[in-house]
Amino acid sequence: KAGVTQTPRYLIKTRGQQVTLSCSPISGHRSVSWYQQTPGQGLQFLFEYFSETQRNKGNFPGRFSGRQFSNSRSEMNVSTLELGDSALYLCASSPTTGFNYGYTFGSGTRLTVV
Amino acid sequence: AQRVTQPEKLLSVFKGAPVELKCNYSYSGSPELFWYVQYSRQRLQLLLRHISRESIKGFTADLNKGETSFHLKKPFAQEEDSAMYYCALSTKTGYSTLTFGKGTMLLVSP
Repeated sequence: KAGVTQTPRYLIKTRGQQVTLSCSPISGHRSVSWYQQTPGQGLQFLFEYFSETQRNKGNFPGRFSGRQFSNSRSEMNVSTLELGDSALYLCASSPTTGFNYGYTFGSGTRLTVV
Repeated sequence: AQRVTQPEKLLSVFKGAPVELKCNYSYSGSPELFWYVQYSRQRLQLLLRHISRESIKGFTADLNKGETSFHLKKPFAQEEDSAMYYCALSTKTGYSTLTFGKGTMLLVSP
């Protein structure tokens, strides 16, 4: 069965622009979470969506937002990009929420802000 | 707030040697602990969960609540074990949020 699919794989944006990243979870998985990975901070939780509702949010500014659609696909948006937003953004899906079965991660979207 | 500490950025061993990747956590409640692995040019993947008490690819990890540790062990390292290993913690608060350690790079030399 298909894994977690993230598009695009690579993005280069200019400071001040906005960006939208997409994630398609494993079929049947209803929980989608997003993580930011940087060399300095490591893997940091952004937010989790379950049944189109944001269940939890990490310690990131309001410029970071997301949503989930009825088919469980999710998007995250970063507005007014800053150089420090350059990172690998990982999406992960799980069958459900509230109990951690262990995520299945996508390959990530590498965002570079110049 | 919870925290996961992996004290070693890099662990280098020879093939056949025992391996122990250290993980310590701080959390006042009862956590769920995980080890994730990322091989070169591959995606992050779950290696094992403490609740399953399983052994995957010869690796085991025991949760020691007294020492708040969840060290990953393997008696005989193989070259294919070379990868980045992340310890992660989830709290039983109704959410699936993972708090990751900074990771340890394991290099197994022939």
